[in-house]
Amino acid sequence: QITLKESGPTLVTPTQTLTLTCTVSGFSLTPAGMAVAWIRQPPGKALEWLALVYWDDDKRYSPSLKNRLTITRDTSRNQVVLTMTNMDPVDTGTYYCVRSERGTSGWAFDYWGQGSLVTVSS
Amino acid sequence: QSLLTQPPSASGAPGQRVTISCSGSSPNVGSNYVSWYQQLPGAAPKLVIYRNNQRPSGVPDRFSGSKSGTSASLDIIGLRSEDEADYYCAAWHDSLPSFVLFGGGTKLTVL
Repeated sequence: QITLKESGPTLVTPTQTLTLTCTVSGFSLTPAGMAVAWIRQPPGKALEWLALVYWDDDKRYSPSLKNRLTITRDTSRNQVVLTMTNMDPVDTGTYYCVRSERGTSGWAFDYWGQGSLVTVSS
Repeated sequence: QSLLTQPPSASGAPGQRVTISCSGSSPNVGSNYVSWYQQLPGAAPKLVIYRNNQRPSGVPDRFSGSKSGTSASLDIIGLRSEDEADYYCAAWHDSLPSFVLFGGGTKLTVL
């Protein structure tokens, strides 16, 4: 059974750095054609793709947020970590960890975590 | 601002057909697979179409996808009340480096 579970703070103070951890199970981060991404959704608004790390540790970032984002992975722990610096109230929303895979789904996002609600407020 | 354009809303009566469009450009929809996601109220999104027109296991065949040039569409036939949700399209955008774009979402109401 494939699962992804996000963990991290629910409340962040403006200007702080957010660190979210995604722990995956049921699949490995290392086979060719595997990737994990982060996608967020402000309350009542659309999905926004943030970042993605490939099986070979290659990374991609949203052009509008790339200066604030870092995505890393720990294959021994089956974890993918997203850090976002200089948090602002507009960054409030639900952050999803998502699997993406080339072979079957053609890089679609086929498995989603339940999401982690992050509120940015002083 | 999203570079994939969807109508903000769509509606249809039970049993009817509804089509949701997703308009992009050559570097994204025109060059890459389009996927579609269904988000029921209070839930995480769920993949309903990948590789433009493929359905994951468990998605009813009432859902179908298509793509022509720089536009894609999600069709739902035989509308049911449980189809009422937000729908999003997504595609990779070819650039250096590449990134993913989502549409702004379409809220489907079953009348």
